[in-house]
Amino acid sequence: QKEVEQDPGPLSVPEGAIVSLNCTYSNSAFQYFMWYRQYSRKGPELLMYTYSSGNKEDGRFTAQVDKSSKYISLFIRDSQPSDSATYLCAMRKSGGSNYKLTFGKGTLLTVNP
Amino acid sequence: KAGVTQTPRYLIKTRGQQVTLSCSPISGHRSVSWYQQTPGQGLQFLFEYFSETQRNKGNFPGRFSGRQFSNSRSEMNVSTLELGDSALYLCASSPPGTSGENTQYFGPGTRLTVL
Repeated sequence: QKEVEQDPGPLSVPEGAIVSLNCTYSNSAFQYFMWYRQYSRKGPELLMYTYSSGNKEDGRFTAQVDKSSKYISLFIRDSQPSDSATYLCAMRKSGGSNYKLTFGKGTLLTVNP
Repeated sequence: KAGVTQTPRYLIKTRGQQVTLSCSPISGHRSVSWYQQTPGQGLQFLFEYFSETQRNKGNFPGRFSGRQFSNSRSEMNVSTLELGDSALYLCASSPPGTSGENTQYFGPGTRLTVL
């Protein structure tokens, strides 16, 4: 079993839809959770960063972490064609010198105008 | 502030050759991490350097190595290239900060093709 599981999609939605992206993980030592967006032929771009359980909102984006279920989500409200990209969840253990990120394989999202 | 830069952007090599990839982190960032991205395996951690020292290492064979210079620039080297080494190699840098912070900023990557 991989440490981080993410549905690869592809996911296709109409403009304005609410998008829900999810990851599950098996390692309870993960404490920091991130969502990255990667456009074609570009490097990943950090979208959201959350520590431990809870919600975090930034504009149209909301990240949720449920450590009891080992489940994290990213919601995109009022989705736009410019949101079309691959979304990657990432997580890491605690520890100041531990910078290793473990990624999901990514979900390809297409928002249709 | 300039972002993470990687050179070259594209590279074609043949099996058995070796390759060196370069990464310049964001100014002021001292931690540099390297990742391999393939369609089959996704993004996998290679290693991380801080102040010229390797702090963390992923599960890759010894053919993959790296180093960091005093100006925080980093290079990674792959020797005896195999077809399976074809991938996008990504470099990420992290700012100094609290131990809980891990905002890694990625470069555009180097696309390596091994023929």
